[in-house]
Amino acid sequence: DTGVSQNPRHKITKRGQNVTFRCDPISEHNRLYWYRQTLGQGPEFLTYFQNEAQLEKSRLLSDRFSAERPKGSFSTLEIQRTEQGDSAMYLCASSFGENTEAFFGQGTRLTVV
Amino acid sequence: AQRVTQPEKLLSVFKGAPVELKCNYSYSGSPELFWYVQYSRQRLQLLLRHISRESIKGFTADLNKGETSFHLKKPFAQEEDSAMYYCALSTTDKLIFGTGTRLQVFP
Repeated sequence: DTGVSQNPRHKITKRGQNVTFRCDPISEHNRLYWYRQTLGQGPEFLTYFQNEAQLEKSRLLSDRFSAERPKGSFSTLEIQRTEQGDSAMYLCASSFGENTEAFFGQGTRLTVV
Repeated sequence: AQRVTQPEKLLSVFKGAPVELKCNYSYSGSPELFWYVQYSRQRLQLLLRHISRESIKGFTADLNKGETSFHLKKPFAQEEDSAMYYCALSTTDKLIFGTGTRLQVFP
């Protein structure tokens, strides 16, 4: 599969623990996005990178969240001191340029217990 | 404010019936609109975009700037069309999604 890859697919963690997710975009894509999706909602934008630069962060991204994209390749999303409200599907997408098709990964489902 | 509204959470039809999934948007600039689809146990994928003006799997969508709408239509629904459909507005830096409409096509 040469599409966007996300790991792990599922993560169960205890409240207060830190978690990190990884996204490997399509190799020639310069843009990488993180979205969060909860039950009954569409994907909600969290942040995006153009190459290695993080260009926008949503207000949904509290200071417990941090994202990186070293060298403009893969990206990680870390959540510190997880809360039950962080339980959601975290989606990664990549694209080449603006207003072009975004290709999505299968997501990481986080459950905070 | 930039917003996408999909008023129907669920749309149920019988095979062969026409389908229209509604989408309205709010955006001050020139909109770029997409329909994404998610079949069961699959990832979200692009169905069509308004700028291409093409028909994919029998679906079409016309951008109506006067009504700020981008409704998705298909004249004859098939069982394999059953999925979750999301309308999305593209700004220069992100996609803004609606809450989605689940389409159920019964045999």
